[in-house]
Amino acid sequence: GENVEQHPSTLSVQEGDSAVIKCTYSDSASNYFPWYKQELGKGPQLIIDIRSNVGEKKDQRIAVTLNKTAKHFSLHITETQPEDSAVYFCAALTSGTYKYIFGTGTRLKVLA
Amino acid sequence: DTAVSQTPKYLVTQMGNDKSIKCEQNLGHDTMYWYKQDSKKFLKIMFSYNNKELIINETVPNRFSPKSPDKAHLNLHINSLELGDSAVYFCASAPGSTDTQYFGPGTRLTVL
Repeated sequence: GENVEQHPSTLSVQEGDSAVIKCTYSDSASNYFPWYKQELGKGPQLIIDIRSNVGEKKDQRIAVTLNKTAKHFSLHITETQPEDSAVYFCAALTSGTYKYIFGTGTRLKVLA
Repeated sequence: DTAVSQTPKYLVTQMGNDKSIKCEQNLGHDTMYWYKQDSKKFLKIMFSYNNKELIINETVPNRFSPKSPDKAHLNLHINSLELGDSAVYFCASAPGSTDTQYFGPGTRLTVL
């Protein structure tokens, strides 16, 4: 079945450094890829998304890149801050069934 | 003005009991979902409704029965609760089945 792999599972960075989280998907017809941030005790919140007709999208300190040929997409956070600490999930919208397959999550810790 | 709300936030119950979780969205969305997040943070879709009609029904035990009285509400009823049902259950909504999802705050179910 469809699958999304996410790496790393945990990531610690110093405040001010950059963080990169990578995901690989299996359904080559997937065309929408959102990223979610989940803080402790809360539901996932959308932080950025990308559709397959573009290769990169940026929103202030957050950017997402997509390589459709290789079937992978990445989240880049620059100038990290302690409040960026959370669990981040990537997801891919499958074709046909229109359901989201989520990655296994990355626990990001930004050390002050 | 909560967009997607769930009740209760916490639910502790004994094995064998029947319980319900309620979800409401005030975003005017057509599509609603139930997800299960286990202790390892894996997010897995259970059900999806579009305009009160079931469109996604993953491999979920038939002890779980979703009900959508109108397109703003999607409730989840669970019969004969088992220890393995302990998890956080998230409701989500989206304008349509290929659009961005918005998650509720979650319901932490603990079965003793």
